[in-house]
Amino acid sequence: GQNIDQPTEMTATEGAIVQINCTYQTSGFNGLFWYQQHAGEAPTFLSYNVLDGLEEKGRFSSFLSRSKGYSYLLLKELQMKDSASYLCAVTGLTGGGNKLTFGTGTQLKVEL
Amino acid sequence: GAVVSQHPSWVICKSGTSVKIECRSLDFQATTMFWYRQFPKQSLMLMATSNEGSKATYEQGVEKDKFLINHASLTLSTLTVTSAHPEDSSFYICSARRQGMNTEAFFGQGTRLTVV
Repeated sequence: GQNIDQPTEMTATEGAIVQINCTYQTSGFNGLFWYQQHAGEAPTFLSYNVLDGLEEKGRFSSFLSRSKGYSYLLLKELQMKDSASYLCAVTGLTGGGNKLTFGTGTQLKVEL
Repeated sequence: GAVVSQHPSWVICKSGTSVKIECRSLDFQATTMFWYRQFPKQSLMLMATSNEGSKATYEQGVEKDKFLINHASLTLSTLTVTSAHPEDSSFYICSARRQGMNTEAFFGQGTRLTVV
């Protein structure tokens, strides 16, 4: 099976940097995704990691360590619009490697 | 533009009736689609994997006779909530991925179901 853990809530200040951690245990691993979801809306894709290391995309970066079963999403220069839920998701060997299993999600609140 | 389209966006129905939700992939053929359910302030819970031309694969604890899934073509999957009850009220979201495992999942807009 798969077990994915994230902090439930985080609060940060506008303009600051925040790191959202995700740990996972999965039977087989074929990649980790980060999604952003605003209330009442569908998730939107942020990043994808399959190899160890850091992937940078503008204000967002994502890191993966497969040996540790660990990833983080780094958000820089926080803006009020970044207040949302951030979902970590992994693909494993089940479902033909195509199934995406989501973590509990981290609700980020950005304050002035 | 949208890659996956889901309809309706919201629906209110009476207890005991059935509701059908459609999910279409607009610019690629999806042999597999996924249906998720999300309760307030919770994450997405996978309900079932919809397979084109064959039976859906349901996650543990999901009643297949209550949540009917039909994937009749490579671009359309439907979820029918049969004999809906207030506890079925939730946000239902579908997703599809292009061929190959290392691709992002595209999500539909979601359907807010309220059973009264």
